[in-house]
Amino acid sequence: KNEVEQSPQNLTAQEGEFITINCSYSVGISALHWLQQHPGGGIVSLFMLSSGKKKHGRLIATINIQEKHSSLHITASHPRDSAVYICAVRFNYFGTGTSLTVIP
Amino acid sequence: DAGVTQSPTHLIKTRGQQVTLRCSPISGHKSVSWYQQVLGQGPQFIFQYYEKEERGRGNFPDRFSARQFPNYSSELNVNALLLGDSALYLCASSYHGREAFFGQGTRLTVV
Repeated sequence: KNEVEQSPQNLTAQEGEFITINCSYSVGISALHWLQQHPGGGIVSLFMLSSGKKKHGRLIATINIQEKHSSLHITASHPRDSAVYICAVRFNYFGTGTSLTVIP
Repeated sequence: DAGVTQSPTHLIKTRGQQVTLRCSPISGHKSVSWYQQVLGQGPQFIFQYYEKEERGRGNFPDRFSARQFPNYSSELNVNALLLGDSALYLCASSYHGREAFFGQGTRLTVV
């Protein structure tokens, strides 16, 4: 069993849809990170969470420490949101990623 | 300001050869970490260096080694390359364990 599990693995959405990506972890946490990876490899850090909820533009990330679960939400999705989204704990443990495709 | 830079961007090596990958962190960042990302998978942690000392090591064989220099740049070395070492190798730097900034990676192909 992986220390960090993400779901779904693949997600296709119509432009404008509300999207949720889930992450469950089994290791101790000081911080959980949501990352975005575009084709070609570059990774961008979206959020660092240790509790509660953070919002940046159309992206919202939440974490429930007791349940060891985090979610990444994208409101009003856009084709430029198409990427792989990765959940990471302490930058030591990574999920396998969720590949998101937003169709115009 | 320059971000994290990695070189080379692409590399093709033959089985059994040795390879050295390089990473320059963001100015002021003293922590550098290395990751291996196989196609279709998330990154796997290889090493973390802070102030030139190894602070963490993932579950990789001794063929993998790294070092950090006084200017905080880092090298990852892989000996006796196997086909399974083909992957994207990512470097990330951070300031005091806060948010990490990733380089674009080195894509290694072993043939």
